Amino acid sequence: DQQVKQNSPSLSVQEGRISILNCDYTNSMFDYFLWYKKYPAEGPTFLISISSIKDKNEDGRFTVFLNKSAKHLSLHIVPSQPGDSAVYFCAASAMVTSGSRLTFGEGTQLTVNP
Amino acid sequence: DTEVTQTPKHLVMGMTNKKSLKCEQHMGHRAMYWYKQKAKKPPELMFVYSYEKLSINESVPSRFSPECPNSSLLNLHLHALQPEDSALYLCASSPKPHRDSNYEQYFGPGTRLTVT
Repeated sequence: DQQVKQNSPSLSVQEGRISILNCDYTNSMFDYFLWYKKYPAEGPTFLISISSIKDKNEDGRFTVFLNKSAKHLSLHIVPSQPGDSAVYFCAASAMVTSGSRLTFGEGTQLTVNP
Repeated sequence: DTEVTQTPKHLVMGMTNKKSLKCEQHMGHRAMYWYKQKAKKPPELMFVYSYEKLSINESVPSRFSPECPNSSLLNLHLHALQPEDSALYLCASSPKPHRDSNYEQYFGPGTRLTVT
């Protein structure tokens, strides 16, 4: 049962434009959501997170939006840069029920073209 | 400093070998994790240590044996592995277990394991 889904395996964007990566979840107990970036042969790097009590969190070029009623979150990168090219994983956790478990989506390969 | 270090970076071992993976963090984090990641797949949780005690074992085969000697170190002992165990093994840490609050996990660079 895929509780966190990233339906787009890949996304290609021009440098300077906005990148929008999407993530859907099915478990209504999830209360904390994270985005990670991963380069080949490296571990995932934490980017940004959002608690379920918020609907938006911003950090520099990165903004995460959470729509709890739709069980959907998105990561916006503005402006996109070639160095942003990587695999982006969405992850979720449920503090009460699953303790320290992070459930990851399958990832989206972002390519930013110069 | 949000660095988690892992050694070795690469490891090739035969099915009869015994080897160990090492993970270290000096951020004062009290939760540490082992994940396994296959190519083009998300990380899969294997073990969680909270305050140096094993709190989660995701039904991992006994040929993988974790150990947490102290709050900064996490080991994964490997014995009699199978070729299908070849993967990237990632260590992560977080300030406290998620049971207390929500915290992000910081990952190390991983150990690329090949079982021949």
